Amino acid sequence: GEDVEQSLFLSVREGDSSVINCTYTDSSSTYLYWYKQEPGAGLQLLTYIFSNMDMKQDQRLTVLLNKKDKHLSLRIADTQTGDSAIYFCAARGSTLGRLYFGRGTQLTVWP
Amino acid sequence: GAVVSQHPSRVICKSGTSVKIECRSLDFQATTMFWYRQFPKQSLMLMATSNEGSKATYEQGVEKDKFLINHASLTLSTLTVTSAHPEDSSFYICSALETGSGELFFGEGSRLTVL
Repeated sequence: GEDVEQSLFLSVREGDSSVINCTYTDSSSTYLYWYKQEPGAGLQLLTYIFSNMDMKQDQRLTVLLNKKDKHLSLRIADTQTGDSAIYFCAARGSTLGRLYFGRGTQLTVWP
Repeated sequence: GAVVSQHPSRVICKSGTSVKIECRSLDFQATTMFWYRQFPKQSLMLMATSNEGSKATYEQGVEKDKFLINHASLTLSTLTVTSAHPEDSSFYICSALETGSGELFFGEGSRLTVL
C-alpha cells in the first residue's frame, strides 16, 4: 500500500505563514488531500489537488505538488489561532474513496 | 454540503459487552462506506470497506468477527464491536462515498471507551 509521511509538529506565531509538508510513495496516486481535525472532531476537507496540477490556491491556502519528488505541501497564509489543529495529508489509492493518511501534523499557533 | 452523521458520538461500555456505531449519509446515497480507527496522536487506519448489500472487505489484521460491519441500505452502515475490551477503546470514523459524484464525506467520529 501507499506510505504517507508528514512531520508531526509545527509551531508558528499568529500572522505568520505555516507550511506543512508531506511525502507519499505511490506515484500513481491521482488525488491528494489535506484535512483538518480539531480535538474530538471528525475530518474537515480543506482542499485537494489533482496529480496533473502543481499548484492550487484557495483563499489563504496554497497547495504545491512536486509529482517527481512525490512531495506535497500546504501553506496557510496569515495563520490564526483558530487554525490550530491537526492537519492530515492523504493520498487516494486505486480503490475509489480509499485514502491513505499520514500521521498528521499538530499545528500550534501562538498569539 | 453533504453530511455524514455518526451515532453515538461518545459511548462508554463495560468490558465484554457489544457496542454498535452507526454511520448515516443524511442527504445522499452511499454504495460504499469506509470505517477507520484512530489511536491518540496517530493516523487513521482503515479497518474495512463496507459495500451496500454485500460483505465488507476487511484490511489485513482486522478481525472480522470482532468488528462486524453491516451495510443494509444505501444510507446506513453499522460497525458493531463485539465483546469489547479496553484495548478496543479508540476513535472510530466513517466516510461515505457519494454514489455518482464520487465525492467522499467524513463523519464526526465516535469515541468508544471500554472500562
